[in-house]
Amino acid sequence: DGGITQSPKYLFRKEGQNVTLSCEQNLNHDAMYWYRQDPGQGLRLIYYSQIVNDFQKGDIAEGYSVSREKKESFPLTVTSAQKNPTAFYLCASSIVAGFDEQYFGPGTRLTVT
Amino acid sequence: AQTVTQSQPEMSVQEAETVTLSCTYDTSESDYYLFWYKQPPSRQMILVIRQEAYKQQNATENRFSVNFQKAAKSFSLKISDSQLGDAAMYFCAYRRTYKYIFGTGTRLKVLA
Repeated sequence: DGGITQSPKYLFRKEGQNVTLSCEQNLNHDAMYWYRQDPGQGLRLIYYSQIVNDFQKGDIAEGYSVSREKKESFPLTVTSAQKNPTAFYLCASSIVAGFDEQYFGPGTRLTVT
Repeated sequence: AQTVTQSQPEMSVQEAETVTLSCTYDTSESDYYLFWYKQPPSRQMILVIRQEAYKQQNATENRFSVNFQKAAKSFSLKISDSQLGDAAMYFCAYRRTYKYIFGTGTRLKVLA
C-alpha cells in the first residue's frame, strides 16, 4: 500500500536534547512538507522540499532543521533552540504541480519536559 | 500573502441534519485549488473534497458538497444527512503551486 509513515507516534524528550522525527513515503512524490499543529492554530508550515537535496523554510522554521537526501525520506530535527517544541507534527507529500491534494502521515506527538 | 479564514471554531449538528462550514480566503491569483480536510480524533488528515478555481461547477462527493463563490472568495462545505462519524475537525486549505495554506479549523460535533 502506498502511503506516508511517521515514527514514532509518541515521543518524549528532556529539555535541551535534539530529537529527530522520521517521515517516509512510497508515493513517488517529489514534494514533502512538515507541519506543526497546536490547538486553535491549525497547521503551520515548518519546512518543505520540492526535490532531493533542496528544501525551503516555511513560516516557523526557527529551531528546526531538515534534510532531503532521498526522495522517500524527509526527517525533521527539533533542536534545543526551539522554545516550545511540545506539539503534534505532521508530515505530508504531494506532486509538485497540478491539481492534487497533500497526503498526510499519521503524525507524531512530541512532548518535551 | 494568501490567507484562509474559518470563522466558526465549533459547530454542532443533529444526526441526519445538514450543516454548513464556512471558509473564506484572500488571494490575488486566478488559478488555484481549494480543499476541505477532515481530522478525526485519530488525527489522521483525510481529504473530503477539492475544487479547482477555474471550474464554476461546485464539487460534490456523496454527502459532501461545496458552495464555491470565486468573486466572494468563499468556499463553504455542506454536509448532508450528518452521521456520528462526521464528528471531527475540518480544515479548509488553499493551494497555489507547491504551497498549501490551511485555516484554523472548525470542530464539528454531531449530536445523536
